[in-house]
Amino acid sequence: DAKTTQPPSMDCAEGRAANLPCNHSTISGNEYVYWYRQIHSQGPQYIIHGLKNNETNEMASLIITEDRKSSTLILPHATLRDTAVYYCIVNRRSNSGYALNFGKGTSLLVTP
Amino acid sequence: GAVVSQHPSRVICKSGTSVKIECRSLDFQATTMFWYRQFPKQSLMLMATSNEGSKATYEQGVEKDKFLINHASLTLSTLTVTSAHPEDSSFYICSARVKRERTDTQYFGPGTRLTVL
Repeated sequence: DAKTTQPPSMDCAEGRAANLPCNHSTISGNEYVYWYRQIHSQGPQYIIHGLKNNETNEMASLIITEDRKSSTLILPHATLRDTAVYYCIVNRRSNSGYALNFGKGTSLLVTP
Repeated sequence: GAVVSQHPSRVICKSGTSVKIECRSLDFQATTMFWYRQFPKQSLMLMATSNEGSKATYEQGVEKDKFLINHASLTLSTLTVTSAHPEDSSFYICSARVKRERTDTQYFGPGTRLTVL
């Protein structure tokens, strides 16, 4: 399985852009990069995913390098409610479809 | 995004009893659901993959006779923790797979906090 590496923690000032990096140097050609976040004591929330092109939705932007070995999740204007653990996941195929292999993620603290 | 619910959100039970947790996809049909477990200060660990109308597929190290999974309809999967013990106390989270053209997306329930006394 392709593994991901993320910094354990990051801080960001409210209103600023939060840029969360992820390294996935062993990613295979058909593996997607997914981003989820988990606010304390809640289930993970889907944010965005991509294969090789940059993606944007109402929550965030995903920038994937040309060699696909790393990516960056961008929260353009972080708010206090964005404080959460952010998981970068490269999906893998389990016996019955694509399972998500959660690592330790990045704990993002948004400060006033 | 798709909505997934879980019930109950929190349960406390005595050691030796069984507990059933329900996972429902509210606005879509899910042929595949997943069950995860999360211990304090740790990440989510996949327990099993549940397919509608067939037996669940368990991850290595997860006892299938202890964690019974039933996926009898396209919108409901249940996880029963049998003969629960204090070490089974954890946060149990389900997810449902939404199939897309080239890849899938999983949407998660809010989780169930199990405390075994």
